[in-house]
Amino acid sequence: NAGVTQTPKFQVLKTGQSMTLQCAQDMNHEYMSWYRQDPGMGLRLIHYSVGAGITDQGEVPNGYNVSRSTTEDFPLRLLSAAPSQTSVYFCASSTLRGGNTEAFFGQGTRLTVV
Amino acid sequence: AQKVTQAQTEISVVEKEDVTLDCVYETRDTTYYLFWYKQPPSGELVFLIRRNSFDEQNEISGRYSWNFQKSTSSFNFTITASQVVDSAVYFCAQYSGAGSYQLTFGKGTKLSVIP
Repeated sequence: NAGVTQTPKFQVLKTGQSMTLQCAQDMNHEYMSWYRQDPGMGLRLIHYSVGAGITDQGEVPNGYNVSRSTTEDFPLRLLSAAPSQTSVYFCASSTLRGGNTEAFFGQGTRLTVV
Repeated sequence: AQKVTQAQTEISVVEKEDVTLDCVYETRDTTYYLFWYKQPPSGELVFLIRRNSFDEQNEISGRYSWNFQKSTSSFNFTITASQVVDSAVYFCAQYSGAGSYQLTFGKGTKLSVIP
């Protein structure tokens, strides 16, 4: 039972490079989301999706792009990496039964932009 | 808009002491859900508890207990007889069932348990 799988675990990028953080879940959850975690800031929502073909912005969406072509996958794209995007990124999934469930988190991706 | 406040940034206790982590939430919704997550030094996020707004019963799970009080908009977490393995960052979070689908986190409280 894989749950939520994020790849890669670590990544170093140069300013201006682009890359995609992968997130896959095998629980058939409708809801998937991306958070970034910065020291002293908690987890902040970047983008989320309530189902295939449906995405929306969270609290800190600038510089990131998402798509949801399948229920299982929810990749996060950094279009032109900036040092301010150095962070730990978490992907999460849950059912849309709202709070009657928990959000399952991936292991996180530690991204450094130099 | 939702907001979760964890006023304690860092707490240090000596092993076997009891410790309470505070969480205050803000919401205009009548239906909402509150969570606690643990993030050990290894970095993963571990689900601890979920509570919905219609259930104000306190809950106990082993050395962990949670006190939910709607009158003060608080959802505090107590660890009894703390252990070194309890050292972690603890996050309180809130979800509103009003279609926003956003889990809002507090900034976390770092707990250090000293042997």
